[in-house]
Amino acid sequence: EAAVTQSPRNKVTVTGGNVTLSCRQTNSHNYMYWYRQDTGHGLRLIHYSYGAGNLQIGDVPDGYKATRTTQEDFFLLLELASPSQTSLYFCASSDAPGGQNTLYFGAGTRLSVL
Amino acid sequence: AQSVTQPDARVTVSEGASLQLRCKYSYSATPYLFWYVQYPRQGLQLLLKYYSGDPVVQGVNGFEAEFSKSNSSFHLRKASVHWSDSAVYFCAVSMNNNNRIFFGDGTQLVVKP
Repeated sequence: EAAVTQSPRNKVTVTGGNVTLSCRQTNSHNYMYWYRQDTGHGLRLIHYSYGAGNLQIGDVPDGYKATRTTQEDFFLLLELASPSQTSLYFCASSDAPGGQNTLYFGAGTRLSVL
Repeated sequence: AQSVTQPDARVTVSEGASLQLRCKYSYSATPYLFWYVQYPRQGLQLLLKYYSGDPVVQGVNGFEAEFSKSNSSFHLRKASVHWSDSAVYFCAVSMNNNNRIFFGDGTQLVVKP
């Protein structure tokens, strides 16, 4: 079964802080995604990647960077965290373009920016 | 632009009752359609998906959904709910020419014992 692991599960930081969220998938999937989930907004795509070294901009990229170091690992970086980035973050993977195929999600990282 | 509307933020039903969660999309062509479920403290999991063929598609745990082109809808149904079905349900759509899946805001289902 597909496995996507996110760390940490919870994170608290201060405004202006530097945060890295990690995601690892062990399904040999090419596509990986970062979403944020906020009440009243569903899931919104931040960045995605279709392979190591590749990065694509999503729908709400401002204030976020991402890096795909290997096929397995996808990181989301908040270099100057702001309270508006307090959210629940999900990583997902798929073996082909996500538009047609199942997304496999991690359990999420809850980030609070004070 | 594509959009997905789930008009009910929260639905409460009694255990054993039937269920319908509504989803409407706005796109002229037929998109890929999905229902995902999110149980407490977990990530989303796929319940079912549709692109073509029989408009009624079966999913896991007794769920099914019916596609209606005339109504631009993809409603989720279950004949008899169980307390363990309490979760948040997301409808999602995508076109086959891009990588994007657009999610609705979700419907929280509460099943009363």
